[in-house]
Amino acid sequence: DAMVIQNPRYQVTQFGKPVTLSCSQTLNHNVMYWYQQKSSQAPKLLFHYYDKDFNNEADTPDNFQSRRPNTSFCFLDIRSPGLGDAAMYLCATSRDWGEQFFGPGTRLTVL
Amino acid sequence: AQSVTQPDIHITVSEGASLELRCNYSYGATPYLFWYVQSPGQGLQLLLKYFSGDTLVQGIKGFEAEFKRSQSSFNLRKPSVHWSDAAEYFCAVGAFGSGTYKYIFGTGTRLKVLA
Repeated sequence: DAMVIQNPRYQVTQFGKPVTLSCSQTLNHNVMYWYQQKSSQAPKLLFHYYDKDFNNEADTPDNFQSRRPNTSFCFLDIRSPGLGDAAMYLCATSRDWGEQFFGPGTRLTVL
Repeated sequence: AQSVTQPDIHITVSEGASLELRCNYSYGATPYLFWYVQSPGQGLQLLLKYFSGDTLVQGIKGFEAEFKRSQSSFNLRKPSVHWSDAAEYFCAVGAFGSGTYKYIFGTGTRLKVLA
């Protein structure tokens, strides 16, 4: 089945230690998104790639970066995680501006 | 500014009862409209979507939603709720504005189902 895969499902890191979250998709969608979701809150869009074009939300901290080496993969890099960055990180894809398909998420814990 | 409002943070219904979850949006034109469901610790699953055409849309798991332009609403309904429907439900709006496309989620409604 075509899907969005996120690895790892659970990630524990230390305060200030860089961490990378991974997302891959077999849907061949041209748009990929990263969301941050804290407990009992709506997902908050961090950035998205439309094809190779990177679009950063205005309020996304500089601490968050992203890479998309090819159509199938997208990475979220957190350069210096703080305690406030502990959250669920959701990857999603879409064909142009159609409905988004979400991965299962990566739960990040910062110690 | 574009916004999505889900007025009900929590809703509790008995199994077998009907359900309606409210969603209102603020946008100048008709946006794309979506409902997602999220079980604890999981990603979001699309229930249904509205782009244009028939204002009553059918989705998966027996859900439907009706777009009412005059009320800027897109309420989700189910005639008979099952215990497995207990989850968080998010309404989302996709719209173009300021030269870019925005995808905005409501704050969610947590559904509890009583046996």
